[in-house]
Amino acid sequence: DGGITQSPKYLFRKEGQNVTLSCEQNLNHDAMYWYRQDPGQGLRLIYYSQIVNDFQKGDIAEGYSVSREKKESFPLTVTSAQKNPTAFYLCASSSAGGTNYGYTFGSGTRLTVV
Amino acid sequence: QKEVEQNSGPLSVPEGAIASLNCTYSDRVSQSFFWYRQYSGKSPELIMSIYSNGDKEDGRFTAQLNKASQYVSLLIRDSQPSDSATYLCAPLRDYKLSFGAGTTVTVRA
Repeated sequence: DGGITQSPKYLFRKEGQNVTLSCEQNLNHDAMYWYRQDPGQGLRLIYYSQIVNDFQKGDIAEGYSVSREKKESFPLTVTSAQKNPTAFYLCASSSAGGTNYGYTFGSGTRLTVV
Repeated sequence: QKEVEQNSGPLSVPEGAIASLNCTYSDRVSQSFFWYRQYSGKSPELIMSIYSNGDKEDGRFTAQLNKASQYVSLLIRDSQPSDSATYLCAPLRDYKLSFGAGTTVTVRA
């Protein structure tokens, strides 16, 4: 079955630690996205990538980094520079720029600072 | 002004009634519009898309778009308890979706 797999489902980060969230898709989609969702708020775009080896900052990129070395994979690193990382992180992908089909989302990673 | 504004709710409707959700957006360039449903603790799932002015029906769902008024809505007919969720409105511009904060719907039996 085609889809997007995010791992881990739950992640705990200590102060000053970098953590990496995994996102893998087998939908053959060109574009991939990372969003953050805080309680009672909409999704905010962190980074996106339209093609392999290229990515752009979204609205809230500070304290985050990404790579896109393979079409299937778009990992997100939450660095120690991100002062308030506790949130629900969602990875998504789309074909044709998302124009006709919208995005398909993974099941999300819930990150908590301990 | 927020890019995408939705009534936060909660919107409580009796089972079998019509739930009406509204969304306004600020960017006139947006051409495609999507409605997502998100159950508590889960990721969003696409339920409707609309690109042209007017109505689009899919089962119990009807999306309505008025680009001149920068307004998009979603009607849920014959509401069921399984429709209890948060509904997110998302206009598309430059291949990126912007999301509203969502409207929480509760269908009471």
